[in-house]
Amino acid sequence: DAEITQSPRHKITETGRQVTLACHQTWNHNNMFWYRQDLGHGLRLIHYSYGVQDTNKGEVSDGYSVSRSNTEDLPLTLESAASSQTSVYFCASSEDGNTEAFFGQGTRLTVV
Amino acid sequence: GDSVTQMEGPVTLSEEAFLTINCTYTATGYPSLFWYVQYPGEGLQLLLKATKADDKGSNKGFEATYRKETTSFHLEKGSVQVSDSAVYFCALSDLGNAGNMLTFGGGTRLMVKP
Repeated sequence: DAEITQSPRHKITETGRQVTLACHQTWNHNNMFWYRQDLGHGLRLIHYSYGVQDTNKGEVSDGYSVSRSNTEDLPLTLESAASSQTSVYFCASSEDGNTEAFFGQGTRLTVV
Repeated sequence: GDSVTQMEGPVTLSEEAFLTINCTYTATGYPSLFWYVQYPGEGLQLLLKATKADDKGSNKGFEATYRKETTSFHLEKGSVQVSDSAVYFCALSDLGNAGNMLTFGGGTRLMVKP
C-alpha cells in the first residue's frame, strides 16, 4: 500500500544546530507540504512543492528550507535550530487541491 | 488571504449526544472544504469533503454541508461515541487563488465521556 512516512518520530537537538527532517511518500503525488502544529495555532504551512525542483515558501518559512530532487522526498532543514522551532512537524502529499491530502505521523522536535 | 475559523474547544459531550462544531471561512476563489480528524499520537486523516456549494460530505455518521451564502461548513453527528474523541480540523483548498495547499482552522478538541 502507498504511504507517507516521516523520520525521525522524535528528535531533541541543541540551539544552533542544523537539523533535517525526512519525508518520503510512495503515492507518486506531485504536491508535498510541510506544516507545524502548535497549541493555539492549529497547523501552519512552512514550505510546499508542486513537483521536482519546485519549492515555495508558506506562512512561517523563516529559518526553514526544503529541496525537491525527486517525486518521493521533501526533506525539511532547520538551518540553525531555535527554541521557537520546538513543535510537531507534519508532512503531507496530495494529487491536487480537490482530493485528499495524506499526512505522515509527525515528528516531535524539541530544541534545547 | 484565505482563512478558516472554527470554534475553540474543548468540547465535552456525553456518549450519544448531538455534536456540532462550527466552521466559517474566508476565500477569494472557489474553495473546496474539508474536515480532518487527528487521533492521539497520529497524523491527520480526511473525514469528509465538499467541493462545491450545497454539496454535503458524509462519513462515519459525520456530515457537513457547504453553505456559500453563510461561508460555513459546520460538522455534525447525531450520536457521538467515546471513540470519536479526537481533534477536528476544518480546512479549505482555494484553487483559484492559492493553489493546492490546505489552509487549516485552529482545531477543536472533542472529548466524549461514557
